[in-house]
Amino acid sequence: GAGVSQTPSNKVTEKGKYVELRCDPISGHTALYWYRQSLGQGPEFLIYFQGTGAADDSGLPNDRFFAVRPEGSVSTLKIQRTERGDSAVYLCASSLGAFSYEQYFGPGTRLTVT
Amino acid sequence: KNQVEQSPQSLIILEGKNCTLQCNYTVSPFSNLRWYKQDTGRGPVSLTIMTFSENTKSNGRYTATLDADTKQSSLHITASQLSDSASYICVVSAEGSQGNLIFGKGTKLSVKP
Repeated sequence: GAGVSQTPSNKVTEKGKYVELRCDPISGHTALYWYRQSLGQGPEFLIYFQGTGAADDSGLPNDRFFAVRPEGSVSTLKIQRTERGDSAVYLCASSLGAFSYEQYFGPGTRLTVT
Repeated sequence: KNQVEQSPQSLIILEGKNCTLQCNYTVSPFSNLRWYKQDTGRGPVSLTIMTFSENTKSNGRYTATLDADTKQSSLHITASQLSDSASYICVVSAEGSQGNLIFGKGTKLSVKP
């Protein structure tokens, strides 16, 4: 079956612009996660959804970052007033449920802020 | 502070050889530990997941060990193949924080012919 998909695969934007990154989880997976991976580093947790609600958003670095999952499936990560330090690969993962350990990752969106 | 440290940072081995990657963590209270393989430009793929009561778990040529007392884990790769070239990331989850995984920086493995 289809895995986790993310669009776009690459995004280049100018400093100060607004961007949206999309994640399509595996069908039927109720849990969805966003991570950020800087070059040479491991992924860093941003936010976790269980269904439509954000169960844990403690990883969001500041109020420029926001994520939604209005129907409990597709999620959008939104970044306002982008800064060069936001440049990274943004990974999305999904899992079957709240207590399922197995997370399936998408290929990521590479964001470059110029 | 919850942290996951991995060593070595990078490793080069010849095809067919074995290798062992190390992971130390300070995450508390501990829930589970995972090893992921991440190919360049791709998302991580799960290799093993171990809970507190599990000491070892295998997945083909990959064998992970866990010592919850010393808070150490290792990933042993047997009879390495060129396709094993990737970053291997150790990830620890704290009890009560289902989504908040703590990732190590990874070990970059290169398998040469």
